[in-house]
Amino acid sequence: DAGITQSPRHKVTETGTPVTLRCHQTENHRYMYWYRQDPGHGLRLIHYSYGVKDTDKGEVSDGYSVSRSKTEDFLLTLESATSSQTSVYFCATGREPTDTQYFGPGTRLTVL
Amino acid sequence: AQSVSQHNHHVILSEAASLELGCNYSYGGTVNLFWYVQYPGQHLQLLLKYFSGDPLVKGIKGFEAEFIKSKFSFNLRKPSVQWSDTAEYFCAVTFTTSGTYKYIFGTGTRLKVLA
Repeated sequence: DAGITQSPRHKVTETGTPVTLRCHQTENHRYMYWYRQDPGHGLRLIHYSYGVKDTDKGEVSDGYSVSRSKTEDFLLTLESATSSQTSVYFCATGREPTDTQYFGPGTRLTVL
Repeated sequence: AQSVSQHNHHVILSEAASLELGCNYSYGGTVNLFWYVQYPGQHLQLLLKYFSGDPLVKGIKGFEAEFIKSKFSFNLRKPSVQWSDTAEYFCAVTFTTSGTYKYIFGTGTRLKVLA
C-alpha cells in the first residue's frame, strides 16, 4: 500500500467550529482525493487535486474547502462544522486519474 | 448521468458457500473497472481491476470478476467464501468524458460470512 496517513484519526467537535483534516502521502502521487463515507451512500467525492495548487470540486463539496501547497499534503477544511458533516473521511491518492486509488486509514469526525 | 449500481446491499452466506456480487454501470464508452474491499475498521484496498484483454480477471484471495460488455456488468465471484471475507465490497468505474475524468463508486455490498 502507498504510504498515506491521515490526521487526526478521530475528532469530536462542536457545531460552528472550524476543522481541518490532513492527508499526507509519501508516494509522490499526482492525484489526491477526499471522500466521505456514510451508510447507504458509499463513498462520495468531496474535492480532488490534480497537482500542487490545482483542485476541483466533487459531488458533495458544499461546506468544504481544500488546499494543496505541496505534493505530499492535501488539507480538507470544514469552515463551520455542522452535524450533517459527521462522517468518516477518507483520503486517497493515485498516479493516474482512471487507475487504482490508494486509501488512507480514515478520520472519524463527530460534530455535536 | 453515469452511475454504478450494486443491487445487493447486504448478503449473508455460510462458510464454503459460493459468492456472486453484482455490479452494473451506465456508460457506453471505454471503461476501467475495479473492485475494492473494506474489512471492518479498515480502509479500502484494491481487490482486482480490469482495463483490457481477458474479460475474466483474477484478484487476491481467490476472487475473480467477469466483464460482460454487452450487459455493462462486472460481477465479483468467489467459489467458496471464508469467515475472513466478511467485509464491504465496492465496485468502481472510471472513464474519460468530454475531457474530464470520472471515478464513480457504487454504494457497496456488505457481506457477512457465518462460521
